[in-house]
This record gives sequence, structure tokens and C-alpha cells, in this order.
Amino acid sequence: DTGVSQNPRHKITKRGQNVTFRCDPISEHNRLYWYRQTLGQGPEFLTYFQNEAQLEKSRLLSDRFSAERPKGSFSTLEIQRTEQGDSAMYLCASSQGTSGGTDTQYFGPGTRLTVL
Amino acid sequence: GNSVTQMEGPVTLSEEAFLTINCTYTATGYPSLFWYVQYPGEGLQLLLKATKADDKGSNKGFEATYRKETTSFHLEKGSVQVSDSAVYFCALRIGGYQKVTFGTGTKLQVIP
Repeated sequence: DTGVSQNPRHKITKRGQNVTFRCDPISEHNRLYWYRQTLGQGPEFLTYFQNEAQLEKSRLLSDRFSAERPKGSFSTLEIQRTEQGDSAMYLCASSQGTSGGTDTQYFGPGTRLTVL
Repeated sequence: GNSVTQMEGPVTLSEEAFLTINCTYTATGYPSLFWYVQYPGEGLQLLLKATKADDKGSNKGFEATYRKETTSFHLEKGSVQVSDSAVYFCALRIGGYQKVTFGTGTKLQVIP
């Protein structure tokens, strides 16, 4: 299967700890996205990369959050000093960028974070 | 700002019933519109999309028409199956930007 993969699938941590999630996009895709989904809500956009460049960031992405995409391949999302409000499903998506912005985003299965 | 409003669920239907899930949007620009589906235990999947007014997106028996005059993109299916049970998300993206704005989702349960 060559879809978007995310690791780990589940993470339980204590408040104040740091966590890091990984996303491996579909291999030929140059765009990568992070979203957050809380229970009963739709996904909320966090940030977007084109190759290794981070081009859009939501105001939801506080200074405790940092995302990287070294070499334009996989991406990591780190949350420092986790808070209970960070508990959510973190979704990664990727796409092959086209002119006109009509590319389709393909989503991974998500990483569910629980902060105790 | 941009937003998507969908009918609240859960929606419970008998097999072979007609399905409509309402979706309306507010956008500062000219959006592309999407329906995504999330089956139990699986990731979000694109179900269908429409990129300009009066376009009809269709897939797996589902249809939705981009209505600019009513800012709507209602999802329909003529005869639902138990396997259609899932959460359905309406979404939009403004041209030139990559952020997708999602609605809150509508849970559909189809009973035999």
C-alpha cells in the first residue's frame, strides 16, 4: 500500500511532556499538510509544506508546535510541554501540486494523542 | 472568513432509502467544494468534488451539485446501503490557498 502513513497511531503522554509524530506522504507528492481533529468536529488546518518549505501556518499552531519537512520527504510535528487541550487526532495529508490549486489531498489514518 | 455548515447528525436511514445531507458555505473567494467520507476506523477519503458553479461531482452513487446562487453543495444518494454508514464531511478550498476548511461532519447510520 502506498498511501500516506503516520506513526505512531496512538500516543498517551503526561501533561508537560514533549511528543513527536511522523508522517510519510505518498512518494511522488510534493505537498504535505497537517490538520487536527477533535471529537465531534471536522479537521482544522495547521500547516502546509511545499517540498521542504513551510508556506502556510494557522494561528492554531502555537509556539509550542513545530513542524519540519527536511529534504521534502517525510514530516514531523512536535508538540512541546503538552497540555490536556492538545488531546486530538493529528492528521497528515499529501498531494501532488498542480497549477490552479485543484490537487486532491490524500489523508493518512492519523495519530491519536491523549494527554493525561 | 470561510466556513462550512452541515446538517447535524446522526442520520439514521433504512437500507435503500434516499439520502440528502445538506451543506452550505461562506467564502471570501471562489471556492472548490468537496465531500470527504470517514469510515469507521479509517482515514478521510475524498468522495467527490466540484471546482466551479453548476459542476456536479459524483462517485459511488453519490452526487452533489455546486450551487453558487444558494452557496450550497448538498450530498445525495438514491439508495443507501449498510456499507455507506460513515461520517461525511463537506469542505471547501479557496483558489490559490492550500488550506481546506471542513464542516463538523454528519454521521450516517444505515440499518438493514
